Amino acid sequence: GNSVTQMEGPVTLSEEAFLTINCTYTATGYPSLFWYVQYPGEGLQLLLKATKADDKGSNKGFEATYRKETTSFHLEKGSVQVSDSAVYFCALTPKPSGYSTLTFGKGTMLLVSP
Amino acid sequence: DAGVTQSPTHLIKTRGQQVTLRCSPKSGHDTVSWYQQALGQGPQFIFQYYEEEERQRGNFPDRFSGHQFPNYSSELNVNALLLGDSALYLCASGTREDYGYTFGSGTRLTVV
Repeated sequence: GNSVTQMEGPVTLSEEAFLTINCTYTATGYPSLFWYVQYPGEGLQLLLKATKADDKGSNKGFEATYRKETTSFHLEKGSVQVSDSAVYFCALTPKPSGYSTLTFGKGTMLLVSP
Repeated sequence: DAGVTQSPTHLIKTRGQQVTLRCSPKSGHDTVSWYQQALGQGPQFIFQYYEEEERQRGNFPDRFSGHQFPNYSSELNVNALLLGDSALYLCASGTREDYGYTFGSGTRLTVV
């Protein structure tokens, strides 16, 4: 079956530090990959996505590249801000599928201090 | 543009009771999925509705049931509540052609 493995948190950084959150996956075929972010007390927000190998998703300074050879989709940001403190979820959905569902990792909490 | 709307936001129920959670999808979306997120865990897929039918189901018992209405809104029903059903229940809407989903803020269910 499909599965997603994320690095355990919390990840604690100072403002302006470089961020990497590792994500690897197991899936048949060619899944689409996502990063979602969850701020305290809120639902999930789509941060970025990539739908085929070597695609790079990017948004709000965050980036992730779909690496099929290493089955990875690591999240990076060059300079984090306090407002980036949240829980980040890596997820996949199989394709092609007209009724795709998301399989999530357990989430990685990011704490950024001033 | 209203996103996904869920109600209620918080709910406290007693073990053995039944509960109904509601979801209105984002405008233009016709697929609704429900996820259960236990504390400190990633969301787990419960089921998905499209054209008023359950299309896919995750590994959840029959105590979990749902419905989709002609206006695409949806309900999640849980019978015979257990303490372990305490979680954040998330509704996500999308379209068949779109692999990304829009999530609501969730309903926090506490079973005591």
